[in-house]
Amino acid sequence: GAVVSQHPSWVICKSGTSVKIECRSLDFQATTMFWYRQFPKQSLMLMATSNEGSKATYEQGVEKDKFLINHASLTLSTLTVTSAHPEDSSFYICSASPGQALLRDGYTFGSGTRLTVV
Amino acid sequence: AQSVSQHNHHVILSEAASLELGCNYSYGGTVNLFWYVQYPGQHLQLLLKYFSGDPLVKGIKGFEAEFIKSKFSFNLRKPSVQWSDTAEYFCAVKHYYDYKLSFGAGTTVTVRA
Repeated sequence: GAVVSQHPSWVICKSGTSVKIECRSLDFQATTMFWYRQFPKQSLMLMATSNEGSKATYEQGVEKDKFLINHASLTLSTLTVTSAHPEDSSFYICSASPGQALLRDGYTFGSGTRLTVV
Repeated sequence: AQSVSQHNHHVILSEAASLELGCNYSYGGTVNLFWYVQYPGQHLQLLLKYFSGDPLVKGIKGFEAEFIKSKFSFNLRKPSVQWSDTAEYFCAVKHYYDYKLSFGAGTTVTVRA
């Protein structure tokens, strides 16, 4: 089945610095990827939809300038948390739709990135 | 507003007990429905999905779900749980024409040996 790799799995950074998280589809091309944020004991909240070759579509309330998304190729999307603050500490998860295989495989999720801002 | 509701926040049961997790959605029109499981420390995995056809869907690990359109529900069931079913379970819904998934708040299932 489809595999999505997310890196790093965890990161600790100082307040005010920026952190980049990568999401790669390993064995399929993903024109669309999604970035979620998951708070402890809570659901996944969609942050933005990442479209290859165009600007990301952000959900209401998500700061575009803080959470920069780049989808440079059909297999790679990146999320950069800029000027991170402790309140940005969270679990970030990406997912991708394998296009025509959606009916068979559903969405594939990365393993997530635990961000801690100190 | 579109929403996905999971009725139980935390379910605790013993091995061999039956499990049923409720999921209701408020979307109008044709929807696609999913149940995902997240084992401790692992990524989300697809348990089962419904796109069309037989409303009783069978998934992996002995799970099944029934889509009842009139009730806007997609409840997950397993006749006999195992300790290894301890996990977080998420219901997710999208419009058939859209790629955006909306998730329920999740249900933590703890199975005691």
